[in-house]
Amino acid sequence: SQQGEEDPQALSIQEGENATMNCSYKTSINNLQWYRQNSGRGLVHLILIRSNEREKHSGRLRVTLDTSKKSSSLLITASRAADTASYFCATDWHNAGNMLTFGGGTRLMVKP
Amino acid sequence: EPEVTQTPSHQVTQMGQEVILRCVPISNHLYFYWYRQILGQKVEFLVSFYNNEISEKSEIFDDQFSVERPDGSNFTLKIRSTKLEDSAMYFCASSTLAGALNTGELFFGEGSRLTVL
Repeated sequence: SQQGEEDPQALSIQEGENATMNCSYKTSINNLQWYRQNSGRGLVHLILIRSNEREKHSGRLRVTLDTSKKSSSLLITASRAADTASYFCATDWHNAGNMLTFGGGTRLMVKP
Repeated sequence: EPEVTQTPSHQVTQMGQEVILRCVPISNHLYFYWYRQILGQKVEFLVSFYNNEISEKSEIFDDQFSVERPDGSNFTLKIRSTKLEDSAMYFCASSTLAGALNTGELFFGEGSRLTVL
């Protein structure tokens, strides 16, 4: 079945450093999205990148997509303590209709 | 800013009992979803709903589950006879129409935590 897997599973950095999270998936996709989840809270959409796009920016976020390697990365620059959360990639794969398949997430801790 | 609201935030129930989780999606959205997240595990798709009918459902969404949009605002998930393994956080989400095969940005509620004893 289609799966998104993030690595690393956990990442701890100092405030001001950059954080890079990676996501791999197995089947062709329509788009790939990144979501953030604070502990015990709902998911918040961060950014969507379509299968024909290679890079996208939004504020301090930079997402890349390599469909040949079936992988994506999320870069958070100049991290802040408030960025501490879990980050999930989610794929919308061909013929799946309106459903997203989420990866296991990366738990990011940004230490002040 | 419009948001998806869910009630209750936490429900504790006995095994075998029926549970109804309620959601109010964003008013101009057309697609509605339920996802669940068992503690420490991935967020899993349950069902999507469009034009008053189920458009997709996962293997998890068996005969014990049903969804309904009883009026113009509420979207409910019913679990007929809860099992221990139904304990999870249940998230409702909604989105605007983004094409039949291209899910756009989903707006999630804060979730309803279901504990089955």
